[in-house]
Amino acid sequence: NAGVTQTPKFQVLKTGQSMTLQCAQDMNHNSMYWYRQDPGMGLRLIYYSASEGTTDKGEVPNGYNVSRLNKREFSLRLESAAPSQTSVYFCASSEMWTGAYEQYFGPGTRLTVT
Amino acid sequence: GNSVTQMEGPVTLSEEAFLTINCTYTATGYPSLFWYVQYPGEGLQLLLKATKADDKGSNKGFEATYRKETTSFHLEKGSVQVSDSAVYFCALIPGGNNRLAFGKGNQVVVIP
Repeated sequence: NAGVTQTPKFQVLKTGQSMTLQCAQDMNHNSMYWYRQDPGMGLRLIYYSASEGTTDKGEVPNGYNVSRLNKREFSLRLESAAPSQTSVYFCASSEMWTGAYEQYFGPGTRLTVT
Repeated sequence: GNSVTQMEGPVTLSEEAFLTINCTYTATGYPSLFWYVQYPGEGLQLLLKATKADDKGSNKGFEATYRKETTSFHLEKGSVQVSDSAVYFCALIPGGNNRLAFGKGNQVVVIP
């Protein structure tokens, strides 16, 4: 039982390049989330998927797209990377969208855009 | 809106000292409150939670009590260890959905 896994762990991009961050969970959770973590800012929600087949914008969605590929997988795409997207990205999942369910976090992807 | 405020700045203390990290919140309705911990190089892990007023969450020697009258959820531990060095985040979920709102986090450094 691996929990939440993310790939890659580290990535360096040049401005304008694109990439997809992958996330998978093996806990049969319905809901999945993408956050970014910046120094002094805490974690901010980029997008979430309350259930398979649905996605919604969070607090900071600009410059990102997401795909809920199936119940297990939720990917985050940067179409044209910008230096402002340099951050640590965390994927999380929870059993349900409604109610105070614990969110389980992956180990993170450290992205640098030059 | 919903927000969480944590005390500014890192916390440095000696092993076996008493730790307090302050957390206050603003929310409509009756939120659930959480403390998450992030060890170096890792993702966040749930440390403890409380879902209603006067509830006390506890885990690994850490405690926090949900105080509705002061809108607070301060984290305490009586005797810290070097292994408690981490970043601690206070967070809330408003009633109705699972959308976490995080505070900015506090770096805790415990010196032997």
